[in-house]
Amino acid sequence: QVQLVQSGAEVKKPGASVKVSCKASGYTFTSYYMHWVRQAPGQGLEWMGIINPSGGSTSYAQKFQGRVTMTRDTSTSTVYMELSSLRSEDTAVYYCARVGIVLEGMDVWGKGTTVTVSS
Amino acid sequence: DIQMTQSPSTLSASVGDRVTITCRASQSISSWLAWYQQKPGKAPKLLIYKASSLESGVPSRFSGSGSGTEFTLTISSLQPDDFATYYCQQYNSYPWGFGQGTKVEIK
Repeated sequence: QVQLVQSGAEVKKPGASVKVSCKASGYTFTSYYMHWVRQAPGQGLEWMGIINPSGGSTSYAQKFQGRVTMTRDTSTSTVYMELSSLRSEDTAVYYCARVGIVLEGMDVWGKGTTVTVSS
Repeated sequence: DIQMTQSPSTLSASVGDRVTITCRASQSISSWLAWYQQKPGKAPKLLIYKASSLESGVPSRFSGSGSGTEFTLTISSLQPDDFATYYCQQYNSYPWGFGQGTKVEIK
């Protein structure tokens, strides 16, 4: 079945970096874009950016420009989201979600990865 | 950036009620709008895409309408499983943005 399996929870100190993985299975990896969305505790959903697994092109929300890097490994059908210079406000659940080329919404989501930033 | 505004922020309703949630975009997004349902501790679930298309497997009591800048999500007869938070999202242009959410509570 189609699924996105994310890496486990992380605890980081301020100023550090975190790299979250999202492994896709059950579909053709390069046929769907992958988005990253985060949710701070008790807050709403925040779009971070997109990667096209086919060519690797990316687009990031202005808020994260310079701090976020999204990459992919087509050999393992895995996308990665790395966020650097972490601060306490980056404490959140980070989700990957796929979107088809015909843009029919984010139809499959990972379960989320909790990233806690604390000294 | 396109701003998405949902109303109300919280809605109290009873099982069997007809519920309507509104989402407004700060500029036209044509029909590039999706609705999601999220329950505590879970990932969001896609309900509606392209403003009015029902995602496969989603009950027909959910429906979406609108275009341009005004959109609605309607639940025709609220069921116990529907108590959750609902988000709209525009995907007309980057950055894709979400509304702030509408929490549907038990009255």
